[in-house]
Amino acid sequence: KQEVTQIPAALSVPEGENLVLNCSFTDSAIYNLQWFRQDPGKGLTSLLLIQSSQREQTSGRLNASLDKSSGRSTLYIAASQPGDSATYLCAVRPYSGGGADGLTFGKGTHLIIQP
Amino acid sequence: SAVISQKPSRDICQRGTSLTIQCQVDSQVTMMFWYRQQPGQSLTLIATANQGSEATYESGFVIDKFPISRPNLTFSTLTVSNMSPEDSSIYLCSVHQRTSEKYNEQFFGPGTRLTVL
Repeated sequence: KQEVTQIPAALSVPEGENLVLNCSFTDSAIYNLQWFRQDPGKGLTSLLLIQSSQREQTSGRLNASLDKSSGRSTLYIAASQPGDSATYLCAVRPYSGGGADGLTFGKGTHLIIQP
Repeated sequence: SAVISQKPSRDICQRGTSLTIQCQVDSQVTMMFWYRQQPGQSLTLIATANQGSEATYESGFVIDKFPISRPNLTFSTLTVSNMSPEDSSIYLCSVHQRTSEKYNEQFFGPGTRLTVL
């Protein structure tokens, strides 16, 4: 059974810092990996999606990497801003369903950016 | 990206009653997913709903407790039956779409926050 772990569980840093969120998964047979942010009282917003054949994806100040063989992904946030404060979730989709199965989520990293 | 709406956004219910959550998508999708997020926990997949067939439930979830309807390609409902306080969670509807660059990217509705007294 796939298990996804996110470290740290919570992080508080001053505005402007670069930071790294970590995600690990136990079964490397994944179709893709997706990073989301969740704001209080709202649903999930997709940030980045990395296919199993890819090594990284970038969107603005965000960069996500994937090392499938070691079961790890990182989300790098550059020049953090107070608006980045949210819970960040990592999720993997299994390869077995041909990309049609649901996601397995980590518990998330609760990020606070101090102004 | 798909735009997903859910009704109700939140509700407070009494033990033993049932609540039906509606999910509407702005485009036709083959598969719709229902997730649960218990307080302080991660999201857990409840079931996958395909139009015209029975929903597929994950281990630990049963149809009698969480009946699902999928009458067309843009709509689904999840019912939480005979509720207990342990059912207090956020329930999220989700779909995935294949785009030109991103395959099977997952999108989520805003969620339904359920409190059972």
